[in-house]
Amino acid sequence: SQQGEEDPQALSIQEGENATMNCSYKTSINNLQWYRQNSGRGLVHLILIRSNEREKHSGRLRVTLDTSKKSSSLLITASRAADTASYFCATHFSGGGADGLTFGKGTHLIIQP
Amino acid sequence: DAGITQSPRHKVTETGTPVTLRCHQTENHRYMYWYRQDPGHGLRLIHYSYGVKDTDKGEVSDGYSVSRSKTEDFLLTLESATSSQTSVYFCAISERQSNTGELFFGEGSRLTVL
Repeated sequence: SQQGEEDPQALSIQEGENATMNCSYKTSINNLQWYRQNSGRGLVHLILIRSNEREKHSGRLRVTLDTSKKSSSLLITASRAADTASYFCATHFSGGGADGLTFGKGTHLIIQP
Repeated sequence: DAGITQSPRHKVTETGTPVTLRCHQTENHRYMYWYRQDPGHGLRLIHYSYGVKDTDKGEVSDGYSVSRSKTEDFLLTLESATSSQTSVYFCAISERQSNTGELFFGEGSRLTVL
């Protein structure tokens, strides 16, 4: 499987702190995406970073990609209670004939008020 | 929010019965996907479609079939449901192939097979 793996599986921090979660994957990729899932809801796309990019920002989100280490990190700055959710990385591996993203198992983030 | 509707949202059925889940989109996106989400496994791709009547298998396609007779509808069928198919099923759509574009997800269909 080309599945990405998030780390840690669960993270609990105080509101206002920064949250960092990591994703590792196994094979060469075209791009890596991060999604958020609130409890009982569908996934929502957060950000896409291409294999030739090293860093990308979107609001309070910062994503880095290190293709040499096959890893990515998602940083959420100044966390809010509304950031409580599960976060998934997803990869589309290059060279494969099939379409579709492969998702990791997710990091469950809890923001304590 | 992307116009994606999954139905039914909840279903309880018995082993051996056929089940069809429907995904309806109003975005006219070419690509549609069915995933299942299970604790400890994350999301796994079942089948996907890259156009009307064009479908292909994903990672966990055994026991499932799909059909897409119209751009807006993608059906997932369990011919004879088993307890191992108890899961939350998500439909997703994309304007472009997943190597270039983002996926938009429906709200999920929770299926329980007794």
